[in-house]
Amino acid sequence: DVKVTQSSRYLVKRTGEKVFLECVQDMDHENMFWYRQDPGLGLRLIYFSYDVKMKEKGDIPEGYSVSREKKERFSLILESASTNQTSMYLCASSFLAGGHTQYFGPGTRLTVL
Amino acid sequence: AQSVTQLDSQVPVFEEAPVELRCNYSSSVSVYLFWYVQYPNQGLQLLLKYLSGSTLVESINGFEAEFNKSQTSFHLRKPSVHISDTAEYFCAVSELRDYKLSFGAGTTVTVRA
Repeated sequence: DVKVTQSSRYLVKRTGEKVFLECVQDMDHENMFWYRQDPGLGLRLIYFSYDVKMKEKGDIPEGYSVSREKKERFSLILESASTNQTSMYLCASSFLAGGHTQYFGPGTRLTVL
Repeated sequence: AQSVTQLDSQVPVFEEAPVELRCNYSSSVSVYLFWYVQYPNQGLQLLLKYLSGSTLVESINGFEAEFNKSQTSFHLRKPSVHISDTAEYFCAVSELRDYKLSFGAGTTVTVRA
């Protein structure tokens, strides 16, 4: 079974803090994705990566950065957390070609106070 | 660029009754279509997907979806729901040469006894 794990299920941070969200997949997938999920808005793509050290902006990259130093690990970084970044963050991975299923982690619910 | 509209945000339904979740998409090119399900406090998991071939796609737990190219729709149906089908359902689309998904806003299905 494909497994995508995220470092924390719940996280509480203060405004201005630097926040790291980690994601690890065990299926040798080329693609990895970070989404945020908000009620009524569905999932919105923040960043994705199709190879080590490669990254591309998604639909809402402002206020976020990412790092992919190893194929299995994809980190999302909030350089200076703000209250409007309170959300559920979901990581996913897939094989490179189109049409492949994306496999999701359980999510990290981040609250910024 | 493609977009996805899920026409119902909330669908309450009684156990053993049928349910239909509506999904329309807009795209100028051929697409792959997906339905994902998110059970409470979990990440998303694939329910079914349409890549090509027969326009009727079935899942292992009794759901089916029909691709209608002329109406650009991919509605999800189940003839008889169970309490365990209570979840949020997301429709997603990707263009054939792309591995990024665009998600709808989600439909919350609540099954009551």
